[in-house]
Amino acid sequence: AQSVSQHNHHVILSEAASLELGCNYSYGGTVNLFWYVQYPGQHLQLLLKYFSGDPLVKGIKGFEAEFIKSKFSFNLRKPSVQWSDTAEYFCAVNADRDDKIIFGKGTRLHILP
Amino acid sequence: NAGVTQTPKFQVLKTGQSMTLQCAQDMNHEYMSWYRQDPGMGLRLIHYSVGAGITDQGEVPNGYNVSRSTTEDFPLRLLSAAPSQTSVYFCASSPRFVAGLHNEQYFGPGTRLTVT
Repeated sequence: AQSVSQHNHHVILSEAASLELGCNYSYGGTVNLFWYVQYPGQHLQLLLKYFSGDPLVKGIKGFEAEFIKSKFSFNLRKPSVQWSDTAEYFCAVNADRDDKIIFGKGTRLHILP
Repeated sequence: NAGVTQTPKFQVLKTGQSMTLQCAQDMNHEYMSWYRQDPGMGLRLIHYSVGAGITDQGEVPNGYNVSRSTTEDFPLRLLSAAPSQTSVYFCASSPRFVAGLHNEQYFGPGTRLTVT
């Protein structure tokens, strides 16, 4: 069965710092990968997704993620964070031959102004 | 389009009561799902449906029932509420598959449920 691990549960950064949030999944076959964001008091919205092709995908608000198949990883990055990036970030995976879309436990990001 | 709508927004139940959380989408999406969100646990899949008349269990299905009689609606029923079911519940839908795998999901605003 597929599973997702997010290693950082709570991250605190200052504005303009660079961000990398880890995401690893456990499945050897083909996957679709997603990062979602939940701003305080709001519901989840998609940041970016990987289906196939270029392993470096760009999303909204300057976020990007790199799919490294050999490491089963899909880490989220942003070169310079802003206070408005304060939110909870979720990695999700859908494996082929499985209709479930499984989420990680989330990383709570707090940006200091 | 209204997107994914959920009702009610808030609900308080007593232990043992039953209720139905409503979810509807107007985007003609085939796939719909229910998650619960708890602090430190992320989102856990309760049930999902790949089309009208088809439902299946997710990671934490016990204590919940679903049905999918139409493409638009996917209600979640709590059979006998327990304090452990206190949570925020999100419904989501997604359009057709891409290359045999699921596309992005669109989430509703959530229902905050408290069971006393």
